[in-house]
This record gives sequence, C-alpha cells and structure tokens, in this order.
Amino acid sequence: GDSVTQMEGPVTLSEEAFLTINCTYTATGYPSLFWYVQYPGEGLQLLLKATKADDKGSNKGFEATYRKETTSFHLEKGSVQVSDSAVYFCALSEPGSGNTGKLIFGQGTTLQVKP
Amino acid sequence: EAQVTQNPRYLITVTGKKLTVTCSQNMNHEYMSWYRQDPGLGLRQIYYSMNVEVTDKGDVPEGYKVSRKEKRNFPLILESPSPNQTSLYFCASSFLAGGSYEQYFGPGTRLTVT
Repeated sequence: GDSVTQMEGPVTLSEEAFLTINCTYTATGYPSLFWYVQYPGEGLQLLLKATKADDKGSNKGFEATYRKETTSFHLEKGSVQVSDSAVYFCALSEPGSGNTGKLIFGQGTTLQVKP
Repeated sequence: EAQVTQNPRYLITVTGKKLTVTCSQNMNHEYMSWYRQDPGLGLRQIYYSMNVEVTDKGDVPEGYKVSRKEKRNFPLILESPSPNQTSLYFCASSFLAGGSYEQYFGPGTRLTVT
C-alpha cells in the first residue's frame, strides 16, 4: 500500500542554519503531497502542499518540490529560527482512492533549533 | 474564527469504562476524520465521514465507533477502552481545494487508559 518515509529525528540545528528534512513516498497513482507542522501542545497545521510533479510548495520560508522521478518531497528552509522548533510530518493523499481524502503520514521528524 | 474543537483535551480513564471524545467544526466541511498519533508511527486514520450519516473505517478502526448525525459534529466513541488505546487523538475536517483535500486539525485529545 501507499506509504511515506521521513528521515529519523530529532534534528538539532543552530539558528540561521540550513534545514533539510527528507521525505520519500510509495504510491500507486499520482498523489498530492503535504508537509504539516505540529508545534508543542497543538494540532497539526498545513505548512505547504504540491499536487503534481515538479510543483513547488512554499510557505513561511519553507519549500518542497514534488519529484516524481525520485518519489521525494524534501522540506527545506534556508535559515531556521528558534520558533521553527516543532514536529514536521510529510503526508500524501491518494486522489484515486475514491476521494476519501485520507492522509497517509510519515512518522514525523522533530526539529529543535538552538539560539 | 474557523476551527476544529475537541473535548476533552486530556482524559485518564480505566479499562472498560465507555467514553466519548467530541469533535466539532464551524467551517461547514463535509469531510471529517479521526486519527491517532503514536510515537514512531505518525498519524493513522481511525474513521472518516464523507457527509451526514456516511461513515467508513480507516486503517485502525478496531475498538472505536463514530457517528455523524449533524454536519458539524463527529464524536469518537470507545465502548470498552483498553490500555492499547492510550494515544493522542486528532479530529480533522477538510474541503476539496485544487484537486486535493486540505485538512484542518483540532488541538488533540490525550487519552490514557489504565
């Protein structure tokens, strides 16, 4: 079945460092891809999305490009801030699955940014 | 303010004691779902509902029930909770945008079953 694999965490960076969180997926069709962020004690918030190959999603300085050839959707940010400390989830939604809208999540990657 | 609310936020209970976690959304979304979040496993879908009176199982439905009598509410029912249902639960509602569903999540309910 469809699945999402994220890099193991936690990831610890200094402020202003470059961030990459790797995400790869397995899907039978052409999924939509998402990054969600979960701040401490809160629910998940949509960070960015891409719905087709070569699309780039971006928001709040984060970006990710839908790479069909490598089945990847890596999250990047050029300069992280302490306020970016959170858990990041990569997810896919398979449009062919009867439009149920179900999200399949990776296991999450904890990011800690130190001043 | 557009939001998904869940109650309670924290719950400690004992094995076998029936409980209900409520979920409500004010965005008039048709699609709602429940997920559980466990360390190392990410979020997994328990049940979902495409509209009023239409519900279906997700990936981990065993031990749970849901109902959708009104569009805005989607309660999660544990008839006889067991310790393996100790988890963090999220309700979500969503709408179709640009060919994919965008989901809004509630703040979560941390359940402990002893």
